[in-house]
Amino acid sequence: DGGITQSPKYLFRKEGQNVTLSCEQNLNHDAMYWYRQDPGQGLRLIYYSQIVNDFQKGDIAEGYSVSREKKESFPLTVTSAQKNPTAFYLCASSMGNNQPQHFGDGTRLSIL
Amino acid sequence: RKEVEQDPGPFNVPEGATVAFNCTYSNSASQSFFWYRQDCRKEPKLLMSVYSSGNEDGRFTAQLNRASQYISLLIRDSKLSDSATYLCVVNSRNNDMRFGAGTRLTVKP
Repeated sequence: DGGITQSPKYLFRKEGQNVTLSCEQNLNHDAMYWYRQDPGQGLRLIYYSQIVNDFQKGDIAEGYSVSREKKESFPLTVTSAQKNPTAFYLCASSMGNNQPQHFGDGTRLSIL
Repeated sequence: RKEVEQDPGPFNVPEGATVAFNCTYSNSASQSFFWYRQDCRKEPKLLMSVYSSGNEDGRFTAQLNRASQYISLLIRDSKLSDSATYLCVVNSRNNDMRFGAGTRLTVKP
């Protein structure tokens, strides 16, 4: 089945630790996105990538990093510089700009 | 002013009711509009695109008003299973998508 897979479903981060969230898609989509959602809030864009080996910062990129070495994969690293990382992280992909986005089922990150 | 604004609700309606949500957007050049549904602690799922001429999918009708810069979603004959948060999505000046914070709907028996 085609879709977007995020892993892990739940993740715990220790103080000063970097953690990486995985996002893989087999939809052959060019564009991929990372969002953060806090309880009762909307989605905020962290990073997005429209093509392999290229990505742009979203509204809240500080404390996060990404790579796009393969079309299928867009991992997000939450660095120790992100002081408030507890949130629901959603990865999405689309055929391109202005096309509807399809989401993975998310990763919940908490601080230990 | 936020790029995309929605009334957070909650909207509490009885089964069988008709309910409508609006979503205003600030970028007059926006070309792409969508409604998503998000259940509690789940990912958003695409409900429908919104076309200039308006479009319908079963009990759901979406409309676009470019002059007043808003989109709407009408749900007829509400079901218990329609209870969710409804997010509107509009493309921004940077051509990325902007999500509204969502309108929460609860359909009661």
